[in-house]
Amino acid sequence: DVKVTQSSRYLVKRTGEKVFLECVQDMDHENMFWYRQDPGLGLRLIYFSYDVKMKEKGDIPEGYSVSREKKERFSLILESASTNQTSMYLCASSLAPGTGATGELFFGEGSRLTVL
Amino acid sequence: GENVEQHPSTLSVQEGDSAVIKCTYSDSASNYFPWYKQELGKGPQLIIDIRSNVGEKKDQRIAVTLNKTAKHFSLHITETQPEDSAVYFCAASPPVFNKFYFGSGTKLNVKP
Repeated sequence: DVKVTQSSRYLVKRTGEKVFLECVQDMDHENMFWYRQDPGLGLRLIYFSYDVKMKEKGDIPEGYSVSREKKERFSLILESASTNQTSMYLCASSLAPGTGATGELFFGEGSRLTVL
Repeated sequence: GENVEQHPSTLSVQEGDSAVIKCTYSDSASNYFPWYKQELGKGPQLIIDIRSNVGEKKDQRIAVTLNKTAKHFSLHITETQPEDSAVYFCAASPPVFNKFYFGSGTKLNVKP
């Protein structure tokens, strides 16, 4: 089974702190994604990466950055956390198109971040 | 960009009844439409998907229909069971699979 692991399930940080959210997948997927989930807004894409050291902005990248130094690991960074970044953060991975990919996203269980 | 709207936001049904969740999309280039189920405390999981060259797909009690002309697609769950209670998300994606646009979610409650 594909496993996407998010290292922190719950975090509480203070305004202005730097926050790292880590995600690791064990199925050699090329694509990795960070989504933010808020009630009534669904899942919104923050950043995605289709290869090591490659990244592309999603729909709401402001206030976030990402790092992908290894294929299996994709990190989301909040340089200076703010209260409006309090949310559930979901990491996902998928195979690249043309490699037998079905398009399925495999999600981690989420990291609930509270910024005070 | 793509805009996906999902209705209703909450749905309560009696065990054994059917449930229908509807989504519309705006970008005619989208050609892949998955449905995800999110149980409490877990990440979303794919339950069924459909591509634009197909009008309907069924998997046991779950079916999805797609109307490309009207740009809408629906999830149908028959003979609902308490374990169907969850949040369901629809999504639309262009051919490249690198961007998925999600609906706002439907919280389904199946009453025993």
